[in-house]
Amino acid sequence: DSGVTQTPKHLITATGQRVTLRCSPRSGDLSVYWYQQSLDQGLQFLIQYYNGEERAKGNILERFSAQQFPDLHSELNLSSLELGDSALYFCASSVQGLSEQYFGPGTRLTVT
Amino acid sequence: ILNVEQSPQSLHVQEGDSTNFTCSFPSSNFYALHWYRWETAKSPEALFVMTLNGDEKKKGRISATLNTKEGYSYLYIKGSQPEDSATYLCAFLSGYSTLTFGKGTMLLVSP
Repeated sequence: DSGVTQTPKHLITATGQRVTLRCSPRSGDLSVYWYQQSLDQGLQFLIQYYNGEERAKGNILERFSAQQFPDLHSELNLSSLELGDSALYFCASSVQGLSEQYFGPGTRLTVT
Repeated sequence: ILNVEQSPQSLHVQEGDSTNFTCSFPSSNFYALHWYRWETAKSPEALFVMTLNGDEKKKGRISATLNTKEGYSYLYIKGSQPEDSATYLCAFLSGYSTLTFGKGTMLLVSP
């Protein structure tokens, strides 16, 4: 158990809908990262927050947004969902940018 | 776009064999190289974070080396066991926060 929690575990929704994925980092970790794992793709970095502020952005679509709250939990919002958004979404946390990252169990999103 | 290449893509060895994988990454703007172990139906778990050229790290039967000047890292597993079966990911950190992952080497160790 990494100490990072993610909810929900599975999510099935229809095209055009909007969903919110939630992540709670390990106690004491200020950085939260979001990754997408699609079929045949490696882990793709989406976005990073550090202590409530956006720190880095990767290949995140404009339809996706994220935020980190004062209690350090983070949410990833995915809107106008398309079939291609079906993937495993991981959240990870770390103490700081150079440290190893601790991954949550992931949220499996299926868009039908 | 940063390119992180891992080879081989997959590997099947017998219990007791020693094995090694390669991770190639850009040799410029290097901050760190991470290795993760990812078992099926679980989430990636950190093995090593390496930051200095010539770094060698060890955890039990697993060790890793780093050459930042030529842009490669090796992961070694000595005396592979069935429980070592997993996908091994390397990830290159350039700039302060952006971790770029390779596609991994899938290892299967047969008893």
